[in-house]
Amino acid sequence: EPEVTQTPSHQVTQMGQEVILRCVPISNHLYFYWYRQILGQKVEFLVSFYNNEISEKSEIFDDQFSVERPDGSNFTLKIRSTKLEDSAMYFCASSARGESGYTFGSGTRLTVV
Amino acid sequence: AQSVTQPDIHITVSEGASLELRCNYSYGATPYLFWYVQSPGQGLQLLLKYFSGDTLVQGIKGFEAEFKRSQSSFNLRKPSVHWSDAAEYFCAVGAIRGAQKLVFGQGTRLTINP
Repeated sequence: EPEVTQTPSHQVTQMGQEVILRCVPISNHLYFYWYRQILGQKVEFLVSFYNNEISEKSEIFDDQFSVERPDGSNFTLKIRSTKLEDSAMYFCASSARGESGYTFGSGTRLTVV
Repeated sequence: AQSVTQPDIHITVSEGASLELRCNYSYGATPYLFWYVQSPGQGLQLLLKYFSGDTLVQGIKGFEAEFKRSQSSFNLRKPSVHWSDAAEYFCAVGAIRGAQKLVFGQGTRLTINP
């Protein structure tokens, strides 16, 4: 069964550093997403991406965040200057058009120290 | 605005007992509804989804859910739970078309007693 692959599975970074979280969506999917889950809390939408541009973003997704699809396979989330409160599990997801629903990756646990 | 409420934060059932996890949603149109399961430290696995048609949907691992429009509910059920079902369960609602953002509930943590 096709999978969404995320790397790394766990990243520790110092406050103020830039991090890039990487995702390889399912190859024929057209829509790409990032979500995050702070420990013990619900999963929250960050951003959706379609046709090489952001289609929707949440209030969480401020100027510190950016997304990119640098080639035909990768989808990245960059946090420019990490804060302690950015510590969370970050999930990438992809979906085909319409009714197909999402496939989530297994997540990257980001720890900011 | 879309919202999802899972009224039960934590449920404990005995192995072999039946299970029902509640989910209520608020959405302005016909929603897409999902149930995901998350084991500790793991990602989100899709259990089942409802888009249209038969309001009783079957999923993986013996789970089913029933969409009741009149009650704005999409409760998850399993007739007999197994110890391996212990996990966090999330209900989510999404739009029908396009880059459908999912809105998740707070989750219900399921504990299984032996």
